[in-house]
Amino acid sequence: QITLKESGPTLVKPTQTLTLTCTFSGFSLSTSGVGVGWIRQPPGKALEWLALIYWDDDKRYSPSLKSRLTITKDTSKNQVVLTMTNMDPVDTATYYCAHSPKPYDAFDIWGQGTMVTVSS
Amino acid sequence: DIQMTQSPSPLSASVGDRVTITCRASQSISSWLAWYQQKPGKAPKLLIYKASSLESGVPSRFSGSGSGTEFTLTISSLQPDDFATYYCQQYNSYPFTFGPGTKVDIK
Repeated sequence: QITLKESGPTLVKPTQTLTLTCTFSGFSLSTSGVGVGWIRQPPGKALEWLALIYWDDDKRYSPSLKSRLTITKDTSKNQVVLTMTNMDPVDTATYYCAHSPKPYDAFDIWGQGTMVTVSS
Repeated sequence: DIQMTQSPSPLSASVGDRVTITCRASQSISSWLAWYQQKPGKAPKLLIYKASSLESGVPSRFSGSGSGTEFTLTISSLQPDDFATYYCQQYNSYPFTFGPGTKVDIK
C-alpha cells in the first residue's frame, strides 16, 4: 500500500525559504520509472503542478517557478524534499506530494496535503 | 506550457442525471490526459488516466473519452457522493498542467 505524507512549517514569513518534506512508504524511489511530484492549491483555487523527480534523479520544474524551486530525493530515507525560495503571500496554498508510477504518467496516489501560509 | 480549459463551470445537476464535463488542451496531447475528483479539504483522487482508462476501484459510472485536444468525462448516473470538483491534467509535456476545475453541485 502506497502512502505519502507532507510535512513542514505551517507559517513562513515573506522572503523566507520554504522547505517541505514528503515521506512515503510502499514503494522505492530507486525502482525504475517511479517519480514523486509536488502540486499546490491556493485556497479556493485550482491545482498547480510544481515539480517532479524520478528514480534516476531526472528533475522537472514548472518554468514559471523554476528559479525558486529545488527538488531532491533521499532514497535511503524514502523522502523527497521541495524548497521554494523568496516566499510571498501569493504562495499561500496547500502543498501536495504525489506518486507517479512511471515517466509521463498521472499521479495515482496523493498525500493529504499540508497548508502553508505566508504572512509577516 | 500547454493550457487546459474546462467547461462548464460550475455545473448544477441532480442525482441520477447524466453529466458530461469537457476539457480542452491548447495543443494536441494525444491521449495523455487524466481526470481527478476532489472533495473539500481532501486530496485529489485519480479517476481516469490515458483519457479513457478507469483507475482501479473507481465506479464504472465514470468514463472518459477523447484524444488530441478535446476530452470528456461522463458520469452516467450522478450519485450523492459525486458532488465534487473535477480536474483534468495533461501529461504529454512538462509542466503537466491542470485545468481550472469543474465544480458539480446540487441543482
